[in-house]
Parts: sequence; structure tokens; C-alpha cells
Amino acid sequence: NFMLTQPHSVSESPGKTVTISCTGSSGSIASNYVQWYQQRPGSAPTTVIYEDNQRPSGVPDRFSGSIDSSSNSASLTISGLKTEDEADYYCQSYDSSNHGGVFGGGTKLTVL
Amino acid sequence: EVQLVESGGGLVQPGGSLRLSCAASGFTFSSYWMHWVRQAPGKGLVWVSRINSDGSSTSYADSVKGRFTISRDNAKNTLYLQMNSLRAEDTAVYYCFSPFGPFWGQGTLVTVSS
Repeated sequence: NFMLTQPHSVSESPGKTVTISCTGSSGSIASNYVQWYQQRPGSAPTTVIYEDNQRPSGVPDRFSGSIDSSSNSASLTISGLKTEDEADYYCQSYDSSNHGGVFGGGTKLTVL
Repeated sequence: EVQLVESGGGLVQPGGSLRLSCAASGFTFSSYWMHWVRQAPGKGLVWVSRINSDGSSTSYADSVKGRFTISRDNAKNTLYLQMNSLRAEDTAVYYCFSPFGPFWGQGTLVTVSS
């Protein structure tokens, strides 16, 4: 089965830029769209990136998504970090073999 | 305003059943594939099931296959998840969402315990 692997945690200082990776286990991650979700403690997830690099309305352009086929990975980049960006971030895509969804294990972002 | 409102969660004994509902408003529900995802206490998001826009195609995680059934009623703008033979490990907050809306519900808690 297709799996997505994320780093368990990352940390960076306010105002800096951080990139969170999401690596596919097999096949081509570029074959299906990748989404990124933000979840703050005690709250439901929200979408920060969909269809690889699209931002929903209301999500600041400090958030961007990209695909790197050479490393079979997707990335979420957050620039100009703010303390409010501190949250868990999950990538999500699809398993082409069964058309089911797949989530990465999540990355805890600490802004300090 | 787009809204997804889940309901139907609660406490159920092992082996029991529950039906979750997700009422959609503010968008053309019948145009979107819909998913259920769950999150056990202190754990990450886990995909559960999805259904295509007209309900003709479904897919399930191995952990729920044969026990859970996803369905939708486009006339009522509602998504369902019928959960049978519930186990303790099914305890979680269940969210409905559409990745390409993108839309998320607020979640409903299912607790399986005797």
C-alpha cells in the first residue's frame, strides 16, 4: 500500500522560513494531487494547500506547496513564520491501486 | 457560507452500530467527492472512506472494510457512514471532508467502550 512519510517535528524562529516534506513510498507522487492540512490543538483540521499548490481563500500567500518528482516528495513551505502557525501539519494524497486516501503521519511545527 | 455538520456520534458498546451523518450546505454537494477521516485521541489523521459525487463508487481503509459503509443522499445534501461491529480501536473523532472543496466538518466523537 502507498504511504506518505513526514518528519515527526520541525522548529524554527518567527520570521524565518520552514519547509515540511512528505515523501511517497512508491510510484509517482505526481500522479495524484497532494493536499496539506493544518490542525491546531483542540480544533478540526483546515486546508492550507490543495491540488499540490493551490491556496484556499483566506490562506495567506506565506503558505506554498510544491512537488519534486526526482525525490518523489511534496513540500509545504511557510515563510515569514508567525507564532500562530504553530500546529500539526498533515499531507494527504491517494493510493492509485485502490483509489483510497492516504495521510502522512503529521509534523508538529514549533515556532519559537 | 459553506458548512459541513457531523452528527450521530456517541458511546456504543463493542460490537454495536452507529450511523454518522454529515449535513452539507453552502455549496453544490452533488458535485464533490466526499471522505470520512478519523483521529484517535492524541493520534494523527487516518483516512477511512470516500465516495464519488453520484455515489456509484466507494473505497475503504482495510481496517474498516466489511464493517463500515459510506453513502450519500444528494437530494438531502447529506453524507453517511454506517458503522457496524464496532471495536475499541474505532474510538475517535470522525470528520467528513472534501479535499477539493476544500471543506471540513467540525467532527463527531465516537467512543466504543463497555
